[in-house]
Amino acid sequence: QLQLQESGPGLVKPSETLSLICSVSGGSISTSCCYWDWIRQPPGKGLEWIGSIYYSGNTYYNPSLTSRVTMSIDTSKSQFSLRLSSVTAADTALYYCVRRTEDTHHHHYMDVWGKGTKVAVSS
Amino acid sequence: EIVLTQSPGTLSLSPGERATLSCRASQSVSGNYLAWYRQKPAQAPRLLIYGASSRATGIPDRFSGSGSGTDFTLTISRLEPEDFAVYYCQQYGALPLTFGGGTKVEVK
Repeated sequence: QLQLQESGPGLVKPSETLSLICSVSGGSISTSCCYWDWIRQPPGKGLEWIGSIYYSGNTYYNPSLTSRVTMSIDTSKSQFSLRLSSVTAADTALYYCVRRTEDTHHHHYMDVWGKGTKVAVSS
Repeated sequence: EIVLTQSPGTLSLSPGERATLSCRASQSVSGNYLAWYRQKPAQAPRLLIYGASSRATGIPDRFSGSGSGTDFTLTISRLEPEDFAVYYCQQYGALPLTFGGGTKVEVK
């Protein structure tokens, strides 16, 4: 059974760069079926899509964050990562890594979620 | 960007009752590529419905999804204790992917 596990610092200083890794186990990251996403949820609030990466390295970012986001993938380690630069308190959130799998019409819905990792931005 | 508006914000019901949750899109959702998730406290969201009406693997048949275009509904036929949670709709027909603000189903 596919599992996703987020890891990274729980505390980041304002203006610095947040870096998270998602480790994929129980299945292949190098599969054409799927995209690998990051979603975040500020405390007590709703969900926000940050971006997606394909095993080939193609990326798609939320326009609201695109100037600060970089995603990458390392298929040899079965990991993908998120970097968010110039963070502020507004970036404090629970960050989830997610698999998006393909339906019969070649569109992709979020079917497997990691447990999430809390990141606080504070000096 | 497709904005999804969920209503009501909070639904107060008793176990065994029927719940009807609404998700309205600011423009038509291409191909009815709409999903529903349930999020229990301190847990990650779990996929319930995709393609507006297809139940995900392992999801009981008390959950059903319907709708098309801009109006979608999630129905829970008989609320079980584990169904008291927050529900989100999400469209995956167009980038950026977007979520609704959520509906909380609470015990009356």
